[in-house]
This record gives sequence, structure tokens and C-alpha cells, in this order.
Amino acid sequence: ETGVTQTPRHLVMGMTNKKSLKCEQHLGHNAMYWYKQSAKKPLELMFVYNFKEQTENNSVPSRFSPECPNSSHLFLHLHTLQPEDSALYLCASSQEASGAPETQYFGPGTRLLVL
Amino acid sequence: GQNIDQPTEMTATEGAIVQINCTYQTSGFNGLFWYQQHAGEAPTFLSYNVLDGLEEKGRFSSFLSRSKGYSYLLLKELQMKDSASYLCAVKDSNYQLIWGAGTKLIIKP
Repeated sequence: ETGVTQTPRHLVMGMTNKKSLKCEQHLGHNAMYWYKQSAKKPLELMFVYNFKEQTENNSVPSRFSPECPNSSHLFLHLHTLQPEDSALYLCASSQEASGAPETQYFGPGTRLLVL
Repeated sequence: GQNIDQPTEMTATEGAIVQINCTYQTSGFNGLFWYQQHAGEAPTFLSYNVLDGLEEKGRFSSFLSRSKGYSYLLLKELQMKDSASYLCAVKDSNYQLIWGAGTKLIIKP
């Protein structure tokens, strides 16, 4: 059982489509993350939200747009994606405290295929 | 640059012991994590080391040497369900997680 849920689990979209990925955490955490996972590559951190404020944006293309309306929900809006954006998109949450490296808990991911 | 190295793939036999190594070069160190990820599923937390030495948790143990920039995950009494990818990650001086590419462990009967 996981305290982090993601929808949809699978998504196929064309390059001109607009879609959104949703993440919800039920753990009472104050930080949420979007990662991209491609085959045989390290997890790539895309965005970090801490107390609903975006604190990291690792040079992610503007065709990815995050939204964090509250500390429990996180969205990733997608538009005009490229085939190389096909990957597993993972959401995670953690309880961040000053100076403490807290464990991240992951959702099951959305498997995205861009045609 | 920051780098985490771990073997791409390993094979072991059911009931045996396997050691998965991880070496890191990061700007600062604030702890090392091991995660397990079954195919198509979420990574799940296995262990956390911040001080040198061995942490044991059931069939799984994790070792850290900060002076050598080295860790390993030891899996004993291997079971078929242990077939998964094992991810090593280090928190750097900015408390950002730096991830390895993962080691795919294949267990054979």
C-alpha cells in the first residue's frame, strides 16, 4: 500500500495534445516532487514544491508546467511534448525539516508515451 | 560534477547472498538511501545510512564508508520476489537527492 497515488497510470498522447498528470499524497507531508525516469538512466528531478512553493526547477522545458494547489496535490501539465519525453513520471513526497534528509515516498508513476 | 555509480545488472541464485555496490562523488554528504523498485511499480524505501558501518534490517543490510565514498546493499537468503532494481541515492550538501541509474537484480531458481 502506498500513501502516494498517481493518475493516470498509463497515457498515450500526440505531440499536439494537452494532458495533465495528477498526484495526491495522504501522508501529511510538506514537500512534493516530480521525477522523470527513463530506461537505464538515473531518476531526473524535475520540480520540487515545499509548503506549496516551488523551490526547484531543474532546467525543465516549458512544455512541462507544474501546479501545486495545496500540500496534498500536485499536477504536471503537459503540452506539445516530444517523443523523447516518453518515460515514467514519478511523484514523491516527504516531510522536510531544517537540515534533515527525510525519506521520499513514491507513487506508482504514470507511464507516458508520446507519439 | 556529481556522480553515483552502481552495476547495471546482476544475477544471483535463489537462497544465495548478493552484494550490490554503490560508489559516489558528491558535493557534500547528508546520507545515503537504498530503494527497491519492482518493474512497473514505485520505488520503495529500504535503508538509510548517514554514519559509517553496517545497518541490518532482516535479510537486508546496508554498509557505508564515507571516507571511501562507498556503500553496499547485502541481500541474504535470496527469494524470487527480490528480483527488482535497486537504486542508490545520496543527499548532497544542499539536501538534494542524487540518484544512481539502478542495478537490475535477476534471481534464478
